[in-house]
Amino acid sequence: GNSVTQMEGPVTLSEEAFLTINCTYTATGYPSLFWYVQYPGEGLQLLLKATKADDKGSNKGFEATYRKETTSFHLEKGSVQVSDSAVYFCALIGSYNQGGKLIFGQGTELSVKP
Amino acid sequence: EPEVTQTPSHQVTQMGQEVILRCVPISNHLYFYWYRQILGQKVEFLVSFYNNEISEKSEIFDDQFSVERPDGSNFTLKIRSTKLEDSAMYFCASSREANEQYFGPGTRLTVT
Repeated sequence: GNSVTQMEGPVTLSEEAFLTINCTYTATGYPSLFWYVQYPGEGLQLLLKATKADDKGSNKGFEATYRKETTSFHLEKGSVQVSDSAVYFCALIGSYNQGGKLIFGQGTELSVKP
Repeated sequence: EPEVTQTPSHQVTQMGQEVILRCVPISNHLYFYWYRQILGQKVEFLVSFYNNEISEKSEIFDDQFSVERPDGSNFTLKIRSTKLEDSAMYFCASSREANEQYFGPGTRLTVT
């Protein structure tokens, strides 16, 4: 079945450091890929998405490129801020799924220190 | 900006009791979902709902669970007889099409 694997956390960075959170997936066809962010005490917010191979999703300085050849959708940001501290979830919707079921990775906690 | 709302934010109930979790999806959305997140674990899909019927449900969504859209704005999740293992954060989500979903803030359910 479809699945998503993320790098283990927590990830601790200093402010202005470069961020990469790895995400790989297993799915048939061409799933849609998403990154969601969960700030402390809050719900999940859609951060960015990509729906076909080589698409790049971007938002708030974060980027991720849909790589079909490596089945990856790694999240990057050039310069993190303390306010980026949160849990980040990679997720997919299968290409043959009509109901829109999101399959999530286990989440990666990011802590940014001043 | 429109958002998904959920009530209550925290529900405490005794084992065996029925609970109803409520959600108001974004008004022009057509697809509705429930997910749950047990503390420290993945976010898990429970059910999707479209055109007044269930589109898909997971293995978790057994006979103890039901969903309803009783009017044009609310979307509810009912657990008939709660178990200790139902303790989790429950998220409602909605979408215009079966793709990018917008989540509510969640209801923390504690079963004692």
